[in-house]
Amino acid sequence: GEDVEQSLFLSVREGDSSVINCTYTDSSSTYLYWYKQEPGAGLQLLTYIFSNMDMKQDQRLTVLLNKKDKHLSLRIADTQTGDSAIYFCAESVQTGANNLFFGTGTRLTVIP
Amino acid sequence: EAQVTQNPRYLITVTGKKLTVTCSQNMNHEYMSWYRQDPGLGLRQIYYSMNVEVTDKGDVPEGYKVSRKEKRNFPLILESPSPNQTSLYFCASSSRGTGQPQHFGDGTRLSIL
Repeated sequence: GEDVEQSLFLSVREGDSSVINCTYTDSSSTYLYWYKQEPGAGLQLLTYIFSNMDMKQDQRLTVLLNKKDKHLSLRIADTQTGDSAIYFCAESVQTGANNLFFGTGTRLTVIP
Repeated sequence: EAQVTQNPRYLITVTGKKLTVTCSQNMNHEYMSWYRQDPGLGLRQIYYSMNVEVTDKGDVPEGYKVSRKEKRNFPLILESPSPNQTSLYFCASSSRGTGQPQHFGDGTRLSIL
């Protein structure tokens, strides 16, 4: 499968901004996603961006896409303790199926 | 309420004893998929189905079977489970077409002793 890479851990203080990074290798990616997984729960779709966009903002979330460098980031403004979770980056490649290729996940810990 | 339902949520069993994890969705989605999640590896796709009677292998299909006899159901079958299949499993569904957001179940934690 395609390679999607993320750092494994990130710690931030409550109220600060968090930035979670992701790199991918497939230049034919069509959509790129951020999912959130809370303990004992499934994956919740947070946001996604089409590959011809550079940026998408949704309340406290900002997604930046640098297609040239194949780099995706998720910024969470005013991070709260409820944001502590694992965040997965995923890409969808134009194959006709809707298959997703996931990164390893970044565990975000918010320190009160 | 739109949802993907997996059963069981937890299962401890022994090597070689056939088991089935069920997955059902109520959104009339054509596409369904199974993933396994392992520490440090993220989610890897096992099998997927683009419609009834249409299934295909994902990245890690060895040791698994699936079937898609009805649109709403997509069971995952382990004919002869082994300890390396101990993992957290997720079922997902979406409408047909690249880029359609996938809806995930809450997961099934399997332990094979």
